[in-house]
Amino acid sequence: GQNIDQPTEMTATEGAIVQINCTYQTSGFNGLFWYQQHAGEAPTFLSYNVLDGLEEKGRFSSFLSRSKGYSYLLLKELQMKDSASYLCALWAAGNKLTFGGGTRVLVKP
Amino acid sequence: DAEITQSPRHKITETGRQVTLACHQTWNHNNMFWYRQDLGHGLRLIHYSYGVQDTNKGEVSDGYSVSRSNTEDLPLTLESAASSQTSVYFCASSDRRGGTDTQYFGPGTRLTVL
Repeated sequence: GQNIDQPTEMTATEGAIVQINCTYQTSGFNGLFWYQQHAGEAPTFLSYNVLDGLEEKGRFSSFLSRSKGYSYLLLKELQMKDSASYLCALWAAGNKLTFGGGTRVLVKP
Repeated sequence: DAEITQSPRHKITETGRQVTLACHQTWNHNNMFWYRQDLGHGLRLIHYSYGVQDTNKGEVSDGYSVSRSNTEDLPLTLESAASSQTSVYFCASSDRRGGTDTQYFGPGTRLTVL
């Protein structure tokens, strides 16, 4: 099976940087996805890591270390609209995603 | 523009009734998925399909069924609704074009079983 852990909630200030960690235990996977979900809305794709290292997409970056069972999503220059839940998901055999419980990020002025 | 839609967006039903939630995508994706999302559990996979006539059980499939008669649609049926099935349901679709298998989600259906 797969076990994925994320902090439940984080608070940060507008303009700051926040790092959302995701740790996992699994026998094998193809890659790791990050999704953003605003309250009452659908999850939307943010980033994907298949190899170890950092993937940068504008203000958002995602990092993966397979040997450490660890990923993080880095949000820079935080804006009020970044207040949302951030979901970590493992992509495993059969094209299936297994999601963590999500991290709710609250951005304060 | 290609998209994925769900209907209805909100549904209230009674215990024991059969309910069908619709999911329709116009991306011509082979893979389609149904999830439920509850506080404290995140997104959990109910059923999924890799193509027409193919269906598979996910993590929490008891009490649910799906059928895939064409590429565009994967309706989710609750055979006899229970209060434990009160949840938000998301449909998603994906394809391997471009190398990754990014899933794109519909807007969700909020189901309340009384």
